[in-house]
Amino acid sequence: DTEVTQTPKHLVMGMTNKKSLKCEQHMGHRAMYWYKQKAKKPPELMFVYSYEKLSINESVPSRFSPECPNSSLLNLHLHALQPEDSALYLCASSQDPPIGVSNQPQHFGDGTRLSIL
Amino acid sequence: GEDVEQSLFLSVREGDSSVINCTYTDSSSTYLYWYKQEPGAGLQLLTYIFSNMDMKQDQRLTVLLNKKDKHLSLRIADTQTGDSAIYFCAEMAPRSNTGKLIFGQGTTLQVKP
Repeated sequence: DTEVTQTPKHLVMGMTNKKSLKCEQHMGHRAMYWYKQKAKKPPELMFVYSYEKLSINESVPSRFSPECPNSSLLNLHLHALQPEDSALYLCASSQDPPIGVSNQPQHFGDGTRLSIL
Repeated sequence: GEDVEQSLFLSVREGDSSVINCTYTDSSSTYLYWYKQEPGAGLQLLTYIFSNMDMKQDQRLTVLLNKKDKHLSLRIADTQTGDSAIYFCAEMAPRSNTGKLIFGQGTTLQVKP
């Protein structure tokens, strides 16, 4: 059982809709991540939050808007998505943001499978 | 540069050992990870190894690291049908300092009864 909880598990939306993906962890982790994963491919990093502040944006289009309301929650707001945005969106967390040689294994949720019509 | 490579597919019989191999290019990598992904699920952290170690064993799992050849392997003893999944190796390179894991393409392990 994963300790990172993502909702919803599945989401179908049109290109003009606005929706949000939610991620929650209660492990006291201070870094949280959003990844996008296409079928048969490894996850691709989108955003990193460290201590509730956005620290990394991997050149993600602005139709994806992350938000970290508190240390346990991470949202991904979606607006005007394209069909190619259909994918599995994974949230992860680690105890601390990785700095130098520190080991900060990332723990993943089960993801939200997003389909854009 | 940073690159991680894995073979794409491995098929074994139940009860046999499985060995999944991975090569990486960043010699400054400090931690290397193995993740398992079952169909319809997220990534499950299986194990990790620090770059100053040669081997790590955890129950049925044995990780071997050859730092000179930049080669990492995951051995699963007594492979079961429940081990069927995609296995990703990943490196955390200190140069990135961003939390960015560099993943391999994943090895699909098929376990035949």
